[in-house]
Amino acid sequence: GAVVSQHPSRVICKSGTSVKIECRSLDFQATTMFWYRQFPKQSLMLMATSNEGSKATYEQGVEKDKFLINHASLTLSTLTVTSAHPEDSSFYICSARDHGGGITDTQYFGPGTRLTVL
Amino acid sequence: SQQGEEDPQALSIQEGENATMNCSYKTSINNLQWYRQNSGRGLVHLILIRSNEREKHSGRLRVTLDTSKKSSSLLITASRAADTASYFCATGGGNKLTFGTGTQLKVEL
Repeated sequence: GAVVSQHPSRVICKSGTSVKIECRSLDFQATTMFWYRQFPKQSLMLMATSNEGSKATYEQGVEKDKFLINHASLTLSTLTVTSAHPEDSSFYICSARDHGGGITDTQYFGPGTRLTVL
Repeated sequence: SQQGEEDPQALSIQEGENATMNCSYKTSINNLQWYRQNSGRGLVHLILIRSNEREKHSGRLRVTLDTSKKSSSLLITASRAADTASYFCATGGGNKLTFGTGTQLKVEL
């Protein structure tokens, strides 16, 4: 089946630093990847849609200058949390849709990245 | 904002029992999906049901969809300890997914 990986799985950083999270589709090409944020015991909230070769589409309330997204290839999207603060601490999950597209396509999720900002 | 509300929020059952989770949504849909999330992990896709389907089975999973009531249910039969996880419904298909609030299922030995 389709596999999506994320790296790192866990990161702890100091306030003010930037953190980059990678999302890779391992056995399929993904023109579209999605970035979600999840607080403890809560549901996933979509942050942005990452499109290969074009700018990401951000959801309302998500700062594009704070959460930089780059989708440079059909298998890799990166999320950079710039000047991280403790309130950015969360579980970040990416997902990827395969190249075929379509309303019944499944999104395949990565294992998530736990970010802790001290 | 959340598209769906799920109930119960938490469910604790004994191994071997059946578990039923419900999901309600607000807007019209093309399909509805159910996902499982083990603690601190990513989501695993369980099943997709199209808007013109009323029921779908996959192994020990049974999903129903009532578009007139804008609701869906997930039934796990003969539960196992390994089924302990959070379960989310989601609408939106291959595009933007909107998740329900989730049900935390605990299956005890």
